[in-house]
Amino acid sequence: DAKTTQPTSMDCAEGRAANLPCNHSTISGNEYVYWYRQIHSQGPQYIIHGLKNNETNEMASLIITEDRKSSTLILPHATLRDTAVYYCIVRPPSGNTGKLIFGQGTTLQVKP
Amino acid sequence: NAGVTQTPKFQVLKTGQSMTLQCAQDMNHEYMSWYRQDPGMGLRLIHYSVGAGITDQGEVPNGYNVSRSTTEDFPLRLLSAAPSQTSVYFCASSYFRDQPQHFGDGTRLSIL
Repeated sequence: DAKTTQPTSMDCAEGRAANLPCNHSTISGNEYVYWYRQIHSQGPQYIIHGLKNNETNEMASLIITEDRKSSTLILPHATLRDTAVYYCIVRPPSGNTGKLIFGQGTTLQVKP
Repeated sequence: NAGVTQTPKFQVLKTGQSMTLQCAQDMNHEYMSWYRQDPGMGLRLIHYSVGAGITDQGEVPNGYNVSRSTTEDFPLRLLSAAPSQTSVYFCASSYFRDQPQHFGDGTRLSIL
């Protein structure tokens, strides 16, 4: 599975957009980009995933560069409840174990 | 629809004791898995199952057993608890291994 690099921490003002970057320069052509988050003391929560095209759902938007070497997760109007560790994960479409490789992630602090 | 339910939420054991961590899902998911999360180590896959009657080892299976007699349940058994198994345990499920996974809220286990 491709390695990902994320900033250790970021701050965001409440109500503003939070843009979380992820570098995955060794991604293979059939590997998806997934985003999860983990709010303190809770289990990881799936946010969004994509292959090539930009994706949007009720939680967030995912922007993947044309060369697929990096991506950005966008929370359009961050709230205090979005404070969490955000994980960018690259995985093939049919991995043998289904294992998710969680790196260190980005700790997002949303401030009033 | 309760999602993924883990019990108990907290447990303290003595070295050498055995116990079973319960995991149940009501989403008719075929794939289920167990992770442990330790500070600085991220989440590591212990065991997984692609359907009733089928289980396999992840990256850290030693000291743990699993079974999958029904689609809904995937219990994790500690055979003889050791202090090194002090951790937070998460159960996850998805329709298939390459689909977004839903996590439970975890079992916090301390072994003295």
